[in-house]
Amino acid sequence: DAKTTQPPSMDCAEGRAANLPCNHSTISGNEYVYWYRQIHSQGPQYIIHGLKNNETNEMASLIITEDRKSSTLILPHATLRDTAVYYCIVRGTVQGGSEKLVFGKGTKLTVNP
Amino acid sequence: NAGVTQTPKFQVLKTGQSMTLQCAQDMNHEYMSWYRQDPGMGLRLIHYSVGAGITDQGEVPNGYNVSRSTTEDFPLRLLSAAPSQTSVYFCASKIGISGNTIYFGEGSWLTVV
Repeated sequence: DAKTTQPPSMDCAEGRAANLPCNHSTISGNEYVYWYRQIHSQGPQYIIHGLKNNETNEMASLIITEDRKSSTLILPHATLRDTAVYYCIVRGTVQGGSEKLVFGKGTKLTVNP
Repeated sequence: NAGVTQTPKFQVLKTGQSMTLQCAQDMNHEYMSWYRQDPGMGLRLIHYSVGAGITDQGEVPNGYNVSRSTTEDFPLRLLSAAPSQTSVYFCASKIGISGNTIYFGEGSWLTVV
């Protein structure tokens, strides 16, 4: 499975865009990039995923570089409720089709008033 | 919608006791799984199921049993609790093996003393 590298922490002002980077230089051609977040004491929450094109949904935008070695999650107008640990994941599978999500340590995003 | 529901949320066990963590989902998802989350270790897959009557082991299955008699329920049994099983447990589900979005429960905090 491809490994990902994220900064351990970031700060963002409320109302501003939060740009969270992720490096995944060993990603293989058929692996997707997923983003999840985990608010304190809650289960992880799916945000967005993509293969090579930029993606946008109601929560965020995902920008993937052309070489697919890195990506950026963008929260366009961060709110205090966006304070969470954000995980960038390259989807891997174990034999038999199980879902082996390697979450790593993620980025602790703090949105400040 | 309830989504993925786990019970209990908190539990303290004595070493050697057995217990069952309950997980139910109301989304008619075929795929369900159990993870444990420990500080610095990310999420590790314990067991998973691709459908009723089918279960398989993940990365860290020792000391745990599962069964899948219905599509909705996927209980996790600790046979003889050990302090090393002190952790936060998350149940998750998705529509099928190829499903992209994984839905997590709120977590069960287990302490074994």
